Amino acid sequence: DADVTQTPRNRITKTGKRIMLECSQTKGHDRMYWYRQDPGLGLRLIYYSFDVKDINKGEISDGYSVSRQAQAKFSLSLESAIPNQTALYFCATSGGGTILEQYFGPGTRLTVT
Amino acid sequence: TQLLEQSPQFLSIQEGENLTVYCNSSSVFSSLQWYRQEPGEGPVLLVTVVTGGEVKKLKRLTFQFGDARKDSSLHITAAQPGDTGLYLCAAGLTNRDDKIIFGKGTRLHILP
Repeated sequence: DADVTQTPRNRITKTGKRIMLECSQTKGHDRMYWYRQDPGLGLRLIYYSFDVKDINKGEISDGYSVSRQAQAKFSLSLESAIPNQTALYFCATSGGGTILEQYFGPGTRLTVT
Repeated sequence: TQLLEQSPQFLSIQEGENLTVYCNSSSVFSSLQWYRQEPGEGPVLLVTVVTGGEVKKLKRLTFQFGDARKDSSLHITAAQPGDTGLYLCAAGLTNRDDKIIFGKGTRLHILP
């Protein structure tokens, strides 16, 4: 079984709808991250969390919110989806220390029409 | 804003050839990682380098961290079609221990 799982894998939604992307991990890592990937722009950090009580904004947090329900679960919400949020979304985890090696989930392809 | 510049952006070569891709910055990093991403999947960690001048080998892949810890290279010997993918470098900042930044990647295509 995969260490980091994401649901759904694909989603098409309409402008203005609320949508939640979910991430679960079995690696036992405290640190979890949400990224989006766009062609030509690379991976950009949306939010990250060091533990259930520690949530931090990344470089592109506007329009997104997150919830860390447990050590193993980190969800990303788009309160009112807009077309420029169409992208690939990845969840990642990282163990302790300063090296921050990232272990990614398989991604969610989100299309906002 | 610290940036990681990867070059080239795209590379298409014949099977059996050698190649080198680069990851450069003006900033000093505490560590640097290389990932490979295949279509429809998340990036997968290949290697982490932490010491200036460090060289690591993974089968036909050789990774080097610059002496000043500002740049890195990935050399592939005798490229094979299975090496096709997006290669991303990522680095941790020396004054931050909570997140890393990613380069935009080199898209490599090995022709059989």
